[in-house]
Amino acid sequence: AAGVIQSPRHLIKEKRETATLKCYPIPRHDTVYWYQQGPGQDPQFLISFYEKMQSDKGSIPDRFSAQQFSDYHSELNMSSLELGDSALYFCASRQLSGNTIYFGEGSWLTVV
Amino acid sequence: AQSVTQPDIHITVSEGASLELRCNYSYGATPYLFWYVQSPGQGLQLLLKYFSGDTLVQGIKGFEAEFKRSQSSFNLRKPSVHWSDAAEYFCAVGAGAGGTSYGKLTFGQGTILTVHP
Repeated sequence: AAGVIQSPRHLIKEKRETATLKCYPIPRHDTVYWYQQGPGQDPQFLISFYEKMQSDKGSIPDRFSAQQFSDYHSELNMSSLELGDSALYFCASRQLSGNTIYFGEGSWLTVV
Repeated sequence: AQSVTQPDIHITVSEGASLELRCNYSYGATPYLFWYVQSPGQGLQLLLKYFSGDTLVQGIKGFEAEFKRSQSSFNLRKPSVHWSDAAEYFCAVGAGAGGTSYGKLTFGQGTILTVHP
């Protein structure tokens, strides 16, 4: 069965650079969630989208932005990267009418 | 605001022994509860979920969890642990009765499970 696809899986950037992470939800899933998991930490909710509109916002820095496109894939854009942004970024998807949330494998971002 | 507490940061069991991982939640309405497992450097895999009905929930890999409203708990259990169960386990609570907030999960701090042969 198709799963949530995230790319790239690994990314290394320097401080003050910009990074973009992509998420391709499971087909027919209309809701996407982004989470950030720092080293040794639990995942923290960043932001979510339903039908291309932002639906909820969590602890997402102002330097970060995200959007969901017409094909339901989502992109998380991170600017002015800081060392503390180094983390595993998860995307999850769900069909609004369903109750199971599926997580991708995550994208590892390392800021040096 | 919702919150989740996993009191045990690290648990060690012998292979074949029984396992119980504790989870306590705080949420004002009917909670939507989940257990996820994460192997090192890997994604989150859903073990089981509770949102209504029978308070004893069966999941994958032989895991089960029991929802106890009076104790605000959702403990994860397995009768006989296998070496491949070594991983980190996260309990999470979801907000909202359906809708997009349902996937806005609040996770506990995680419990690392070590299995001795």
